[in-house]
Amino acid sequence: QQPVQSPQAVILREGEDAVINCSSSKALYSVHWYRQKHGEAPVFLMILLKGGEQKGHDKISASFNEKKQQSSLYLTASQLSYSGTYFCGTADNYGQNFVFGPGTRLSVLP
Amino acid sequence: NAGVTQTPKFRILKIGQSMTLQCTQDMNHNYMYWYRQDPGMGLKLIYYSVGAGITDKGEVPNGYNVSRSTTEDFPLRLELAAPSQTSVYFCASSYGGVDGSGANVLTFGAGSRLTVL
Repeated sequence: QQPVQSPQAVILREGEDAVINCSSSKALYSVHWYRQKHGEAPVFLMILLKGGEQKGHDKISASFNEKKQQSSLYLTASQLSYSGTYFCGTADNYGQNFVFGPGTRLSVLP
Repeated sequence: NAGVTQTPKFRILKIGQSMTLQCTQDMNHNYMYWYRQDPGMGLKLIYYSVGAGITDKGEVPNGYNVSRSTTEDFPLRLELAAPSQTSVYFCASSYGGVDGSGANVLTFGAGSRLTVL
């Protein structure tokens, strides 16, 4: 069963912050975040493994609450290059059957 | 190092025709995946493979078949194409299971855009 993401879409001005949420009805062993630009393939951003773990990538960071089966992606001081669709992804406990959430479309305006 | 290569990039099929989408990776990855992405939508897992000779169904396997005779190749076969199969198809691979290890991330091909008329 695929994870759920919210919101479906976000429109920001440059420099503003955004949060994208990902949750699952089943136990999560890890959460992965990918970004896809229009007309391109998805590109890996980061993986979170342990409950409560946080990671950062430039001004993009994420947290993972294993108990709540949730992950959040934080985009700080957004740049035009952050525009795209963000997907969270999860696998089963064998690391197989990797499925994506429906995506969150992020638009950063000048 | 080419990564994941998909062919063809574009294809138009008539209803009822069959075709094979090719996917090859040169990274010695064990795991390979096929996803489809309908316009404006997310990625749906069609089939995946954890090694040569081993395949398993994903979320939307109906109307497709796969085989994995070598580590490098993972072709996707469409039998009796239908308009509902109009989509962009992405092949991806990873060294091992998609877990917390930094090595086991998905590397995607550029995609194959298929239109069924």
